[in-house]
Amino acid sequence: EVQLVESGGDLVQPGGSLRLSCVASGFTLSSDWMSWVRQAPGKGLEWVACIKHDSSEKYYMDSVKGRFTISRDNAKNSLYLQMDDLRVEDTAVYYCAALDTARGGSAYWGPGTLVTVSS
Amino acid sequence: IVMTQSPLSLPVTPGEPASISCRSSQSLLHSNGKYYLDWYVQKPGKSPQLLIYLGSNRASGVPDRFSGSGSGTDFTLKISRVEAEDVGVYYCMQALKTRTFGQGTRVEIK
Repeated sequence: EVQLVESGGDLVQPGGSLRLSCVASGFTLSSDWMSWVRQAPGKGLEWVACIKHDSSEKYYMDSVKGRFTISRDNAKNSLYLQMDDLRVEDTAVYYCAALDTARGGSAYWGPGTLVTVSS
Repeated sequence: IVMTQSPLSLPVTPGEPASISCRSSQSLLHSNGKYYLDWYVQKPGKSPQLLIYLGSNRASGVPDRFSGSGSGTDFTLKISRVEAEDVGVYYCMQALKTRTFGQGTRVEIK
């Protein structure tokens, strides 16, 4: 059974930092592009960032460029999101997701971790 | 790439068909001839799950009452006969350049 499990979500003040982690089991993360997707309370899904299997390419949504950094450790079957200079509008559930459907016709999502940015 | 869904709310009667439209701001045709458009459903309190990939391919375990079609910039998700368990928010997502989701369509039972 494929599982992605996120951790690291917390309550943080504006301007603060958090590091999210995602560990995969039953799934070899090293073969796929991996993404972080977020969902603000009561809102829709919003793609945040993605990283190629060998970390050679990384892409970000405009509003997080320069503040968020996506990375991965294939040896640990893990994905990370370093979030700096957090803003109130970054408050959301953050999902780790494997969305490389063109490669294998499958997509995997974790249950999400809640990040709350508030003073 | 901007994704636009309609309608945003869809009350449905069990047993009746339903249809959701998704339009992209540019063609989702890849050089390999496939359309990089996926459909997801997010049921209440759950993570999203894949329904349709590459425009028209049902994901594993998805009932055959769900179908996807379309080309270029216009795509449609159809449910041939809605069941009560189909309640949720449906999203289209382009996978041609990074990823972008539509706003979501909330399907509810009348």
